[in-house]
Amino acid sequence: RKEVEQDPGPFNVPEGATVAFNCTYSNSASQSFFWYRQDCRKEPKLLMSVYSSGNEDGRFTAQLNRASQYISLLIRDSKLSDSATYLCVVNSDYGQNFVFGPGTRLSVLP
Amino acid sequence: ETGVTQTPRHLVMGMTNKKSLKCEQHLGHNAMYWYKQSAKKPLELMFVYSLEERVENNSVPSRFSPECPNSSHLFLHLHTLQPEDSALYLCASSQDPQVTYEQYFGPGTRLTVT
Repeated sequence: RKEVEQDPGPFNVPEGATVAFNCTYSNSASQSFFWYRQDCRKEPKLLMSVYSSGNEDGRFTAQLNRASQYISLLIRDSKLSDSATYLCVVNSDYGQNFVFGPGTRLSVLP
Repeated sequence: ETGVTQTPRHLVMGMTNKKSLKCEQHLGHNAMYWYKQSAKKPLELMFVYSLEERVENNSVPSRFSPECPNSSHLFLHLHTLQPEDSALYLCASSQDPQVTYEQYFGPGTRLTVT
């Protein structure tokens, strides 16, 4: 089993839609979780950290379920500019070993 | 954004060449990383430096040789590469090596090995 797995995608949604991505991780000792977005031929950029109690940043909501070992990202009122690949990132200890998922590609259509 | 810069942005090299990739971070961070991103594969962590000491080396072939002269600069020396080494090489930094802070990435060097 891969250490971090994501919905395979791609997701094609109309503007204004709500879309949710899931990510599962295999290491129960994982401590820190992040969502990054990566535009085509660009570097990954931090979207948001994921906290145990869940957190929201504008149209974006992240949830963590430690018991089931999954993380979710919800995007409300999708914009064309949300089109990107969304990367789930897990840090499995208090060191520097960040493990990236394969990413889920989102296309928001006009 | 100019927090993490990388040069060159594009590089084409033959299998017998020697070249170096450079990364510089202007964020005052203490940890730096090299990642490889191949087509249709997740980012792969190659090397981690924390306070200029290498702390992770994920079974990377010896034809890749990192160097971290100070906490702001990171190099990746390349020699006798193979065509399958063609990829986007990304540098990242984070604030504190003892605490898991988010990483900030440079724009990457797109490497083609011919």
